[in-house]
Amino acid sequence: LAKTTQPISMDSYEGQEVNITCSHNNIATNDYITWYQQFPSQGPRFIIQGYKTKVTNEVASLFIPADRKSSTLSLPRVSLSDTAVYYCLVGDDRDDMRFGAGTRLTVKP
Amino acid sequence: DAGVIQSPRHEVTEMGQEVTLRCKPISGHDYLFWYRQTMMRGLELLIYFNNNVPIDDSGMPEDRFSAKMPNASFSTLKIQPSEPRDSAVYFCASSLRLSVGTQYFGPGTRLLVL
Repeated sequence: LAKTTQPISMDSYEGQEVNITCSHNNIATNDYITWYQQFPSQGPRFIIQGYKTKVTNEVASLFIPADRKSSTLSLPRVSLSDTAVYYCLVGDDRDDMRFGAGTRLTVKP
Repeated sequence: DAGVIQSPRHEVTEMGQEVTLRCKPISGHDYLFWYRQTMMRGLELLIYFNNNVPIDDSGMPEDRFSAKMPNASFSTLKIQPSEPRDSAVYFCASSLRLSVGTQYFGPGTRLLVL
């Protein structure tokens, strides 16, 4: 499983766009990039997954450059309820799911 | 579907006591995972099952921890004897296949060992 590096914490204000970058220099050809979100007192939940270029859903966008050695989770116009820990995982279908420390996002009013 | 169900939601016990955590996965999911989360170590994978068979228990901290899955709809994680350092939130998750992004997590059991 490719090792990932992401910031420990980030602060933002309501209405701003938040970008969280994850580094994964050793990503393998078959690996997908997946982001989970964990609210306080809840289990993590899947938010987005991608392989290359850009993926967008109702929650977030995921930007992946051509070399795939990093990825950026973009949250448009965050609200207080987006305060959570965001985890970046890299692996393929055969890998187990091992979470790193994640990025603790705090959205302030 | 009710999602992954865990019980109890909170458990307070004294050092040396046996603790049993329970999990009911989503019906039809072939994989079940147990995780432990602490401030110091983050979210750690303890063990996972495929079709009720333990596949990888390399994350189980020591012999005091054991996990079973007697059938497709039930799993237990047991700690005997419990120690204060076992205090953590224990999550159960299930998935249809072994693929990143397919896990559904339960609400967790918050364990406090005094």
